[in-house]
Amino acid sequence: DAGITQSPRHKVTETGTPVTLRCHQTENHRYMYWYRQDPGHGLRLIHYSYGVKDTDKGEVSDGYSVSRSKTEDFLLTLESATSSQTSVYFCAISESWGSNQPQHFGDGTRLSIL
Amino acid sequence: AQTVTQSQPEMSVQEAETVTLSCTYDTSENNYYLFWYKQPPSRQMILVIRQEAYKQQNATENRFSVNFQKAAKSFSLKISDSQLGDTAMYFCAFSQVGAGSYQLTFGKGTKLSVIP
Repeated sequence: DAGITQSPRHKVTETGTPVTLRCHQTENHRYMYWYRQDPGHGLRLIHYSYGVKDTDKGEVSDGYSVSRSKTEDFLLTLESATSSQTSVYFCAISESWGSNQPQHFGDGTRLSIL
Repeated sequence: AQTVTQSQPEMSVQEAETVTLSCTYDTSENNYYLFWYKQPPSRQMILVIRQEAYKQQNATENRFSVNFQKAAKSFSLKISDSQLGDTAMYFCAFSQVGAGSYQLTFGKGTKLSVIP
């Protein structure tokens, strides 16, 4: 299994509070991704990173920011959480740009915003 | 933009039988990759099989095989000799090749139940 650790695994918080989710990898892969999974939608890309301090937006980036100060860590921040951001969040990594190297996923973080 | 459609929200199969999960996609690209991911109740996302669009031969991984029909934009997954451990959500996903091929586009998933 790819060495990907997401923390926390579960979190419950209140509307309006800031939340940061962490993805840590031990594979030294260049590319990292954040997805959210909602019933009826499958997984949708929030943000991705193609190197230290290099990030870009995905399909559903509104309300989220990311940072990558080290190769191994990719942080997802909800500046002011809303109930619509209740979801399961997955981090993924891949060795190279493009789909000849598949993405490998972490175990997910279940986030509930009350 | 690419779209991926899984038309079967739920399916069931008897243990040891064969089941086929459907996936269609829409793209104007000629070269791309297709994937099937499995998500058991443990919530892990596990890569099952992948297919490169420029390869005519269908991919196979043990009991899992695909039927890739490029002209029809169809990418179905066949599971042979179904086992209880195959019970999971199955997601079809698409990724294009080349610049910007950072994103996996997922279908909404098919929930497969293997019945003893």
